[in-house]
Amino acid sequence: EDQVTQSPEALRLQEGESSSLNCSYTVSGLRGLFWYRQDPGKGPEFLFTLYSAGEEKEKERLKATLTKKESFLHITAPKPEDSATYLCAAGNDYKLSFGAGTTVTVRA
Amino acid sequence: GAGVSQSPSNKVTEKGKDVELRCDPISGHTALYWYRQSLGQGLEFLIYFQGNSAPDKSGLPSDRFSAERTGGSVSTLTIQRTQQEDSAVYLCASSRYRLDEKLFFGSGTQLSVL
Repeated sequence: EDQVTQSPEALRLQEGESSSLNCSYTVSGLRGLFWYRQDPGKGPEFLFTLYSAGEEKEKERLKATLTKKESFLHITAPKPEDSATYLCAAGNDYKLSFGAGTTVTVRA
Repeated sequence: GAGVSQSPSNKVTEKGKDVELRCDPISGHTALYWYRQSLGQGLEFLIYFQGNSAPDKSGLPSDRFSAERTGGSVSTLTIQRTQQEDSAVYLCASSRYRLDEKLFFGSGTQLSVL
């Protein structure tokens, strides 16, 4: 059975305090590893897709990396506006299996 | 439209009633997905449409749940004889093609079954 596990469940950071979120996955026929951001009351918003081990992608203060069994989302010098729930999802042919998410709170 | 639109945004119903949830995907997107998000849980896959066909209905929790898509556009998720455990946020997403493209999500329908 496809499984995606995210840790930690919650992360409280001081503004400027860098940290990393973990996503471990077991998905047959993996076609891509996705990161989404979800704000309260909204649907998830796409951040990155990673396709192969060793791949890295960056967007502003976020960088996503991928190994054969895990993905990491690094948040560098976060700001309060980075507060959100970050969702990891592993995709096979057409279906995304989502983790439960990491809720990040950044205090000014 | 500019994004994926879902209606209603909130629905409160009594146990045993039927409900219909609507999704308007981004124009031209051939793939459409329904997910369910319960409090503290990850998104749960329900069903996938390619055009008007649903190759995978395996995520539908029971035969009380059904979905259709017409004209390669609007989709409706119907839940019959609602139960309290059906309470959740129902999210719709669309993409230009299958999973090679990123998904665009709507804001969801918050369903509360009393």
